[in-house]
Amino acid sequence: AQTVTQSQPEMSVQEAETVTLSCTYDTSENNYYLFWYKQPPSRQMILVIRQEAYKQQNATENRFSVNFQKAAKSFSLKISDSQLGDTAMYFCAFMIFNNNDMRFGAGTRLTVKP
Amino acid sequence: EAGVVQSPRYKIIEKKQPVAFWCNPISGHNTLYWYLQNLGQGPELLIRYENEEAVDDSQLPKDRFSAERLKGVDSTLKIQPAELGDSAVYLCASSWGSSYSNEQFFGPGTRLTVL
Repeated sequence: AQTVTQSQPEMSVQEAETVTLSCTYDTSENNYYLFWYKQPPSRQMILVIRQEAYKQQNATENRFSVNFQKAAKSFSLKISDSQLGDTAMYFCAFMIFNNNDMRFGAGTRLTVKP
Repeated sequence: EAGVVQSPRYKIIEKKQPVAFWCNPISGHNTLYWYLQNLGQGPELLIRYENEEAVDDSQLPKDRFSAERLKGVDSTLKIQPAELGDSAVYLCASSWGSSYSNEQFFGPGTRLTVL
């Protein structure tokens, strides 16, 4: 069974600083995909960034980047230059190639302080 | 472009009553998902539709939950009868396809409270 673990239930960061959210996963599969989703207080979840396991290069999207360590089964999210609008729940998610069952972690509540 | 629409946004019912949730996916999206999100947890897939066909309903408690997606567009998720433990947020999502590269777009969810 595939599991996703987010060990930080809550985190906070000062505006303009950098924060890293942790995620580990467990799978015996070799081909899979990893995602970070953001769920602001309004509850509408949006995709932040995604990574294909076969790619060694870490994905980046503007201020968001990941540190993908396949051997360690680790997939952390780094948010640079944090903004107040980054305040949200962040969910790490995993999906096996050709199997559309997406598994989510329990989430990390991030608060950006002014 | 309109996003995924869900209604109602909030629903309070007494246990043993029936309840239904409605989802209108983004136009043209053929894959539709219903997720259950308990407080403090990530979403869990209940059922996935590709067009009108339910291709993955292994996590749907079929004794009390049912879903339909007539004409491959709108979908309804029903609970009958509701139990206290059904209190949660029910999320609907849609995508153009069902491979990873087809981003899932989520609706705002329906928060159900069972008293």
